[in-house]
Amino acid sequence: GAGVSQSPSNKVTEKGKDVELRCDPISGHTALYWYRQSLGQGLEFLIYFQGNSAPDKSGLPSDRFSAERTGGSVSTLTIQRTQQEDSAVYLCASSDGGAVDTQYFGPGTRLTVL
Amino acid sequence: QKEVEQNSGPLSVPEGAIASLNCTYSDRGSQSFFWYRQYSGKSPELIMSIYSNGDKEDGRFTAQLNKASQYVSLLIRDSQPSDSATYLCAVITYTGRRALTFGSGTRLQVQP
Repeated sequence: GAGVSQSPSNKVTEKGKDVELRCDPISGHTALYWYRQSLGQGLEFLIYFQGNSAPDKSGLPSDRFSAERTGGSVSTLTIQRTQQEDSAVYLCASSDGGAVDTQYFGPGTRLTVL
Repeated sequence: QKEVEQNSGPLSVPEGAIASLNCTYSDRGSQSFFWYRQYSGKSPELIMSIYSNGDKEDGRFTAQLNKASQYVSLLIRDSQPSDSATYLCAVITYTGRRALTFGSGTRLQVQP
């Protein structure tokens, strides 16, 4: 079956511009996660959506970052006024939200801020 | 102290040998443990999950969990050059958020 998909695969932007990254989770998965992987920082959690519950935003690094999930499916991560330190691979994962909560990752979006 | 610790490696083993990858975690409330494999330029791919103390085997892979020692390991038998990748240990603590907390990864090199 189809896995997690993300778009675009690569995004190059200029400092100060806004960007939107999209994630389409595995069909039927109620939980969706955003992570960021940058050189020297490893994989870090950003935000978590579970069903209709309020999202867990505890990992967002600044108020320039926001995310929404429409209709319990597709999610968009928005970064406003991008900075060079935002350059990273942004990974989306989804799970069935059950007790086991195994997360499956999409291919990621590589963001480069010039 | 990092929440999830791994030796960064590289761990180099000859083809056909057993590769042993180790991970320790700090939160005793951790409930679920995962090993992901990540090839260069690719996203993490799930290899194994383990929730109970003891061993769990899947093909050439065996995960071992010791909650008393807060220790998780992954054994890869009959290592192949295609196993060369970075192996990420990840933990979910249900006492906190349900996101994965990752170690920094161990780079494995299997020499033909």
